[in-house]
Amino acid sequence: QQQVKQSPQSLIVQKGGISIINCAYENTAFDYFPWYQQFPGKGPALLIAIRPDVSEKKEGRFTISFNKSAKQFSLHIMDSQPGDSATYFCAAVPAGGYQKVTFGTGTKLQVIP
Amino acid sequence: ETGVTQSPTHLIKTRGQQVTLRCSSQSGHNTVSWYQQALGQGPQFIFQYYREEENGRGNFPPRFSGLQFPNYSSELNVNALELDDSALYLCASSLGLAGFNEQFFGPGTRLTVL
Repeated sequence: QQQVKQSPQSLIVQKGGISIINCAYENTAFDYFPWYQQFPGKGPALLIAIRPDVSEKKEGRFTISFNKSAKQFSLHIMDSQPGDSATYFCAAVPAGGYQKVTFGTGTKLQVIP
Repeated sequence: ETGVTQSPTHLIKTRGQQVTLRCSSQSGHNTVSWYQQALGQGPQFIFQYYREEENGRGNFPPRFSGLQFPNYSSELNVNALELDDSALYLCASSLGLAGFNEQFFGPGTRLTVL
């Protein structure tokens, strides 16, 4: 059961370009939306996260845009660098007393010089 | 501050066997969650432990079980292994249950079932 749909599956971006990854969800009980970055051989690491009461959050080169009515959110990586090459997962967490994180299927980003 | 550690790094088992995976949570963290990550997929939530009690479970059969110890370290046990259990098993620790508390992931245990 795919509750968080993520696209594209893979992405190749030139150094300095903008990387955009999109996610959509169905369950309106979700109220926290983190993005994770995973390098080969490592566990995922939290990159940036947003609550649905704001439409955008920016941290450095990373921005989340959130559209609550469309149940969609996206990650923008500005000035993409080769060191950003990794797999990115969007995720969603329901309100309530435990952290059942539902992950998207992942986007493998390659930033070429 | 010590991060989340998992052991072993890799493991090969045969179908029908049992396996125990171990996780040491980050210092001070009282909540541990386990995830299964199949190749090319996102992690899937297995269950979560908070102060030694199972606090939530995903869509995994009862042959997946766990424990959390007083020092908040944790074990994942899988009985009657199946070929589809081959995956990277991740544990993540956090301080408290709230959904917005950051989870810190370990590097995972790669399980191969032959």
